[in-house]
Amino acid sequence: GDSVTQMEGPVTLSEEAFLTINCTYTATGYPSLFWYVQYPGEGLQLLLKATKADDKGSNKGFEATYRKETTSFHLEKGSVQVSDSAVYFCALSSGGSTLGRLYFGRGTQLTVWP
Amino acid sequence: DSGVTQTPKHLITATGQRVTLRCSPRSGDLSVYWYQQSLDQGLQFLIQYYNGEERAKGNILERFSAQQFPDLHSELNLSSLELGDSALYFCASSVAPAGGKGEQFFGPGTRLTVL
Repeated sequence: GDSVTQMEGPVTLSEEAFLTINCTYTATGYPSLFWYVQYPGEGLQLLLKATKADDKGSNKGFEATYRKETTSFHLEKGSVQVSDSAVYFCALSSGGSTLGRLYFGRGTQLTVWP
Repeated sequence: DSGVTQTPKHLITATGQRVTLRCSPRSGDLSVYWYQQSLDQGLQFLIQYYNGEERAKGNILERFSAQQFPDLHSELNLSSLELGDSALYFCASSVAPAGGKGEQFFGPGTRLTVL
């Protein structure tokens, strides 16, 4: 079945450090891939998405590239800020028989110190 | 603001009770999804409705049920509550038709505490 595996947290970085959060997936067909972010006490917000192989999603300085050959969608940011502290979720949607439901990874807690 | 609203924000109740969680999707979205977020299970898909009809079921207990009304708002009913049902319950909606692979937009969630 479809599934997402993302790196265990927590991740703790200093401001302006480089961020990578690894995400790999298993899916039938050609899924769409997403990164969602959850700030403390809030719901999930879509951060970025990619719908086909080699697409790069980007938003607010975050980037992720859909790599079909390695079934990966790693999240990166060149210089993190304190305000980026949140939980990040990798997710996929296969559509078709799964009717578009999202499969989520377990989440990675990011803390950025000034 | 995603445009998806959920009420109430917090709910505290006792074991054995029944509660109803309400969700209003974004204007124009026909698909509504319910998810449960807990520390041990993470984010789990519960159920999906599309234009008033149930379309998919995930890890939803038999004690739980949902429906989507003609105005497209949805309710999740949880009965015979147990301590383990304490969690954050999210509603999401999507502009894509059932079977699409588009993004979903999430409400702020309802935090349920069962004492």
